[in-house]
Amino acid sequence: DAKTTQPTSMDCAEGRAANLPCNHSTISGNEYVYWYRQIHSQGPQYIIHGLKNNETNEMASLIITEDRKSSTLILPHATLRDTAVYYCIVMKTSYDKVIFGPGTSLSVIP
Amino acid sequence: ETGVTQTPRHLVMGMTNKKSLKCEQHLGHNAMYWYKQSAKKPLELMFVYSLEERVENNSVPSRFSPECPNSSHLFLHLHTLQPEDSALYLCASSQTVNSYNSPLHFGNGTRLTVT
Repeated sequence: DAKTTQPTSMDCAEGRAANLPCNHSTISGNEYVYWYRQIHSQGPQYIIHGLKNNETNEMASLIITEDRKSSTLILPHATLRDTAVYYCIVMKTSYDKVIFGPGTSLSVIP
Repeated sequence: ETGVTQTPRHLVMGMTNKKSLKCEQHLGHNAMYWYKQSAKKPLELMFVYSLEERVENNSVPSRFSPECPNSSHLFLHLHTLQPEDSALYLCASSQTVNSYNSPLHFGNGTRLTVT
């Protein structure tokens, strides 16, 4: 199963776009890229997912490279409430060997 | 409101106690899960239920006993736990268990401390 690598931590100024990268160079053709985030003392929250096309919803945009070996989660206008740990994972199904790595700790700074 | 409610939010228990964690989902989903999150460790999948049938038991010790009486409720019965079992226990649900387009929805967890 594909695994992901993410930077350990990032800072972003409030109101600016936060761009969180993820590498998944061993992803297979039937694996989706999912993003979740976990705010302190809460359960993980689903953000967005995609297979090969770019996706956008009310929370974020997901940009997947053409070779699918990496992706970027974009929070267009980061707020203080976006401070959290962001997890990038690849999944064939909802649960099959879902591996949550350490994620990226994003700090949004006033 | 996450759609997945877990009780209690915090639990302290001795090693000889028996307690149960409860999870309820209000999303009409057919699959439910228990995860464990220990300090400084990634989330670990414990159990998976699909339409009230257990479909995965991820090498979890028998002192953890899950129960899924219907598709909306999930319990985790605890007995003779060890201090190293102290962790955040998270419940999740999804529309189905074998769909590429079925994100997990998590509750806020039960913070368990075993003394």
